[in-house]
Amino acid sequence: DTEVTQTPKHLVMGMTNKKSLKCEQHMGHRAMYWYKQKAKKPPELMFVYSYEKLSINESVPSRFSPECPNSSLLNLHLHALQPEDSALYLCASSQVPGTNTEAFFGQGTRLTVV
Amino acid sequence: QKEVEQNSGPLSVPEGAIASLNCTYSDRGSQSFFWYRQYSGKSPELIMFIYSNGDKEDGRFTAQLNKASQYVSLLIRDSQPSDSATYLCAVTLFGNEKLTFGTGTRLTIIP
Repeated sequence: DTEVTQTPKHLVMGMTNKKSLKCEQHMGHRAMYWYKQKAKKPPELMFVYSYEKLSINESVPSRFSPECPNSSLLNLHLHALQPEDSALYLCASSQVPGTNTEAFFGQGTRLTVV
Repeated sequence: QKEVEQNSGPLSVPEGAIASLNCTYSDRGSQSFFWYRQYSGKSPELIMFIYSNGDKEDGRFTAQLNKASQYVSLLIRDSQPSDSATYLCAVTLFGNEKLTFGTGTRLTIIP
């Protein structure tokens, strides 16, 4: 089973809204990631959690706030987003942090900011 | 210079032929190399990974790595229309979880 589950699949939010994206995996993976992908562009790394601790923040604006409540769950809290934040948000996980094991992606959340 | 470079294509290949996708990387500390397939509107799907110089085969797919020349390639034999997608090359540095992606190559298999 290489399943990473993301909810919701689609989200439309206003610029003053607060919303959260959720990601779950039950593969025992200890590294979890958030990526952002704009149309016709490759995924761009936002955050990495290793053993439930934030290990990489790619200088992401504070209106994006990650959270890793436990080893299976990863959240991305969204607040005061801009229309240019509209994108496909991808969660991924890999087995052991720092060992270059394969990363598996969820189906993504298509976010539209209006 | 971009860290990971791919020919953006589009690359058109007749059905049944071999599709060859190439990727070069700039950091000699790169340790692991991955090929993802992404259908339009979908998330990336891992199809191959390679860590050592040489070839690695999995079904119709062969990944080739040449660390001295800093390139990695993906061959798809007996190409099928279902192989039409964007193929993303991704690289990690030793001991680092960060996947750095190339811009992707759009592949079209012509029936």
